[in-house]
Amino acid sequence: ETGVTQTPRHLVMGMTNKKSLKCEQHLGHNAMYWYKQSAKKPLELMFVYSLEERVENNSVPSRFSPECPNSSHLFLHLHTLQPEDSALYLCASSQDYYTGGFWNTEAFFGQGTRLTVV
Amino acid sequence: EDKVVQSPLSLVVHEGDTVTLNCSYEVTNFRSLLWYKQEKKAPTFLFMLTSSGIEKKSGRLSSILDKKELSSILNITATQTGDSAIYLCAASRPVTGNQFYFGTGTSLTVIP
Repeated sequence: ETGVTQTPRHLVMGMTNKKSLKCEQHLGHNAMYWYKQSAKKPLELMFVYSLEERVENNSVPSRFSPECPNSSHLFLHLHTLQPEDSALYLCASSQDYYTGGFWNTEAFFGQGTRLTVV
Repeated sequence: EDKVVQSPLSLVVHEGDTVTLNCSYEVTNFRSLLWYKQEKKAPTFLFMLTSSGIEKKSGRLSSILDKKELSSILNITATQTGDSAIYLCAASRPVTGNQFYFGTGTSLTVIP
């Protein structure tokens, strides 16, 4: 258990459905992320929230809509998805800290949601 | 363009072998290099490297960063079947909330 919890673990949805992915972190981190992991591709950053404000969305299609109501919770709202959106969606959180004369970063991932769009 | 490249893409070894996984990065305002192990779902954190030339160790795993060569290696000695996984490296740079650039990973298979 990494301290980052994602639900659901598996989701099958039709192209006309609306669903939401949830992520919760208990680490006191100040930044949260959504990543998409497709086969044989690097992890793709979708959204970054820092102190509950979105700082990047990397031109993700509007059928993905993030929400960060507080620093511990992050949602990804899904609607009218396409089959190519089927992937593993990973949530992560991070925190910077200063030690030994350097800024360091720790980042942990949730277990992911395996999404299948049919 | 910021990027992270890992090699080899895949590796098959026998139990007891020692392996070295490579990661090179080109990331503006680089801060840290992170290694993760991914078995089924969530990548699990292994190491974070910020200083060049200082080895970090955890059991049979060790890693070191070379900022001059913009690279890092992850060594696994006396490999076991439980080491079979995808090993990811990520370079971070400080934007608000950090930006992490991931490589495609090295798939390691350890055969009994």
